[in-house]
Amino acid sequence: KAGVTQTPRYLIKTRGQQVTLSCSPISGHRSVSWYQQTPGQGLQFLFEYFSETQRNKGNFPGRFSGRQFSNSRSEMNVSTLELGDSALYLCASSRGGGSGDTQYFGPGTRLTVL
Amino acid sequence: SQKIEQNSEALNIQEGKTATLTCNYTNYSPAYLQWYRQDPGRGPVFLLLIRENEKEKRKERLKVTFDTTLKQSLFHITASQPADSATYLCALEKSGGFKTIFGAGTRLFVKA
Repeated sequence: KAGVTQTPRYLIKTRGQQVTLSCSPISGHRSVSWYQQTPGQGLQFLFEYFSETQRNKGNFPGRFSGRQFSNSRSEMNVSTLELGDSALYLCASSRGGGSGDTQYFGPGTRLTVL
Repeated sequence: SQKIEQNSEALNIQEGKTATLTCNYTNYSPAYLQWYRQDPGRGPVFLLLIRENEKEKRKERLKVTFDTTLKQSLFHITASQPADSATYLCALEKSGGFKTIFGAGTRLFVKA
């Protein structure tokens, strides 16, 4: 069974630009969660999607948004990039999400904002 | 606000010894507590889950304890090996919360 895939793996952008990251979950998984990981803050929860609906979101500004498609693939978008958005963005998929469901993480997208 | 604390300093131990990592939390009542392993440049990998009504869970050389009164979990790796060197993350989730919060992780180094 193929694991979670994320594209692109590396990205360099400049301040003010916007970026879209993609996540393909494990086949059969309907929940996708996104996290931002930085050395100072660790793994921070961004949002979770299930069947194209956002069920929860973390404490991030509205510049961070996401969506999920009918095939469970998910994208996240960051508009008006700031230097502080430089981070590793991880997505994780699970069967249904919640109730201690095991999350399977992708390799992440390393975003650098110059 | 809710907070998870893990040993911020790296843990250095000798091969064959037992590594013990600590996870403390405040202002939170998790239904589930999970431990993940993360290697440099890679996403976290799930290791163990323990529920709020469980005291201890084991899997091969791994053991997790969960004390909801102390608001603490201990993660043990017995007979540690250099291949166990990695960062270990503690994660909490409420029942039906659809949101997992992670600690910053503890870096473990096992010397041969």
